[in-house]
Amino acid sequence: DGGITQSPKYLFRKEGQNVTLSCEQNLNHDAMYWYRQDPGQGLRLIYYSQIVNDFQKGDIAEGYSVSREKKESFPLTVTSAQKNPTAFYLCASSIGTANTGELFFGEGSRLTVL
Amino acid sequence: AQSVAQPEDQVNVAEGNPLTVKCTYSVSGNPYLFWYVQYPNRGLQFLLKYITGDNLVKGSYGFEAEFNKSQTSFHLKKPSALVSDSALYFCAVRDTSGGYQKVTFGIGTKLQVIP
Repeated sequence: DGGITQSPKYLFRKEGQNVTLSCEQNLNHDAMYWYRQDPGQGLRLIYYSQIVNDFQKGDIAEGYSVSREKKESFPLTVTSAQKNPTAFYLCASSIGTANTGELFFGEGSRLTVL
Repeated sequence: AQSVAQPEDQVNVAEGNPLTVKCTYSVSGNPYLFWYVQYPNRGLQFLLKYITGDNLVKGSYGFEAEFNKSQTSFHLKKPSALVSDSALYFCAVRDTSGGYQKVTFGIGTKLQVIP
């Protein structure tokens, strides 16, 4: 079945550590996104990528980094510079960034900083 | 700047009754409008979208939404609520002006269907 796979589902991190969240899609979509979800704040865009080897900052990119070396993969690194990293992280993809298509979401990764 | 407002944090409805979850939006160009549903600790699932044409859009699980351009609204509706409809619902808008068409989400409305 086509879809988006995020891993790990749950992750615990000590302060000062970098962690990387995986996102893989087999939908052949060009565009991929990372969102952060906090209670009562909806979804906020961290980074997006419209094509391989290209990515752009979203609304809350500080303390995060991404790469897009393959069409299928868009990993997110939460660095120690992110002051409040505890959140639910959602990866999504779409056919493109300028079309009528909806976003397809993974199941999310919940990061907790101890 | 584009924005989405979901004025109700929570909507309670009795099973079998009709439900409405409200959404209003603001964009500079023509809007593409979406509704998504999220169950606890899961990703978002697409329900329906309005692109153009008929103002009443039908989607998954018996949901529908009505686009009202003059009121800049896109309310989600269902004629008869099920307990299994209890979840978090997000409205989203894509502004069709510009090269990168950003998608903006509302803060979500929790729907509680009471048996």
